[in-house]
Amino acid sequence: AQTVTQSQPEMSVQEAETVTLSCTYDTSESDYYLFWYKQPPSRQMILVIRQEAYKQQNATENRFSVNFQKAAKSFSLKISDSQLGDAAMYFCAYRMPNTDKLIFGTGTRLQVFP
Amino acid sequence: DVKVTQSSRYLVKRTGEKVFLECVQDMDHENMFWYRQDPGLGLRLIYFSYDVKMKEKGDIPEGYSVSREKKERFSLILESASTNQTSMYLCASSSYRVANEKLFFGSGTQLSVL
Repeated sequence: AQTVTQSQPEMSVQEAETVTLSCTYDTSESDYYLFWYKQPPSRQMILVIRQEAYKQQNATENRFSVNFQKAAKSFSLKISDSQLGDAAMYFCAYRMPNTDKLIFGTGTRLQVFP
Repeated sequence: DVKVTQSSRYLVKRTGEKVFLECVQDMDHENMFWYRQDPGLGLRLIYFSYDVKMKEKGDIPEGYSVSREKKERFSLILESASTNQTSMYLCASSSYRVANEKLFFGSGTQLSVL
């Protein structure tokens, strides 16, 4: 069965610094999708970034980028120039193709200090 | 913007009560999902639906049922609420017409069963 592991329950970063959140997953599939979602105190889940496994190039969205290592089954999220508004729970998620179900990790709570 | 609306933000019920959690989406999405979110456990899939009157069990369906009589509405039912069902419940929707479509989430219902 597919599993997603986030080994850092909490992380903290100084404003304007860079932080990396870790995510590993287990699958026997070769084609799949990976996501990072953000959940601020408002509880509204927001998609941060997504990656297709068949694409070798790491996805980037403004200050957010991923380090996707398919062989190692690792999908870390890098947040550059951290802002106070980045403080939230971050969830890593996995989805197989031809299915719309997401499997989520346990989450990492990110604190940003001024 | 897609809107997924959950009828209650907070709900307090007593053990043994029948509880209905309602979710409505306004983007004609085929897929709808109910997740449960608990600290340290992340999001776990309870039930999902790919079409009207269609439902499939997720990873933790025990103690829950669902109803999808109309495309835009997906209800989660706790037939006889128990204290271990105290949790945050998140509804989500997506379209399978769009490749690698993200999930759109509601703001969650925090349910307390006393």
